[in-house]
Amino acid sequence: QLQLQESGPGLVKPSETLSLTCTVSGGSISSRGYYWGWIRQPPGKGPEWIGYIFYSGGTYYHPSLKSRVTISVDTSKSQFSLSLTSVTAADTAVYYCARRDSGSDAFDMWGQGTMVTVSS
Amino acid sequence: QSVLTQPPSVSGAPGQRVTISCTGSSSNIGAPYDVHWYQQLPGTAPKLLIYGNSNRPSGVPDRFSGSKSGTSASLAITGLQADDEADYYCQSYDSSLSVVFGGGTKLTVL
Repeated sequence: QLQLQESGPGLVKPSETLSLTCTVSGGSISSRGYYWGWIRQPPGKGPEWIGYIFYSGGTYYHPSLKSRVTISVDTSKSQFSLSLTSVTAADTAVYYCARRDSGSDAFDMWGQGTMVTVSS
Repeated sequence: QSVLTQPPSVSGAPGQRVTISCTGSSSNIGAPYDVHWYQQLPGTAPKLLIYGNSNRPSGVPDRFSGSKSGTSASLAITGLQADDEADYYCQSYDSSLSVVFGGGTKLTVL
């Protein structure tokens, strides 16, 4: 059974860089039929898509976050990562990693999520 | 404000049928891009409930169904059960090159 697990600091200072890693187990991150993405959910609000990456490295980002976001993949470790620069309190959210099926375009598997708070 | 509009809340008694609407525009649902629905139980990650407007992943009961028409989509839940109480989100794609979600609907089982 495929599982995704987020890891990283739960507290980041304003203006610094938020860095998270998602480890994929029980399946191959190099499967051609899937993209690997990040989605965040501020407290009490709906999800917001951040971006996703194909195993070969092709990336797609939310237009409003594109200048601050980098998603990378390390197939040897079965991991993909999120870097979000110049964070503010508005970036406080639960961050989820998820798998997007390229056939349906739906996010069919999600990690449990990790809460990241931006505060000094 | 979310690109896709959902009612903040709906409610129903056990055994009843409820529907949740998701309204978009000609640049997303009406483009036409597919609509997907997710169920989020309290304190957990969203779970895919309906994909491609009306398809259920393996394991999702047939009490859940989806439909789409024009710039709107709907999720219907029949035979309402207590453990259906959750937040429900629609999701599509927008011509602005972005995946978009609705603001969510909280379902209360009376």
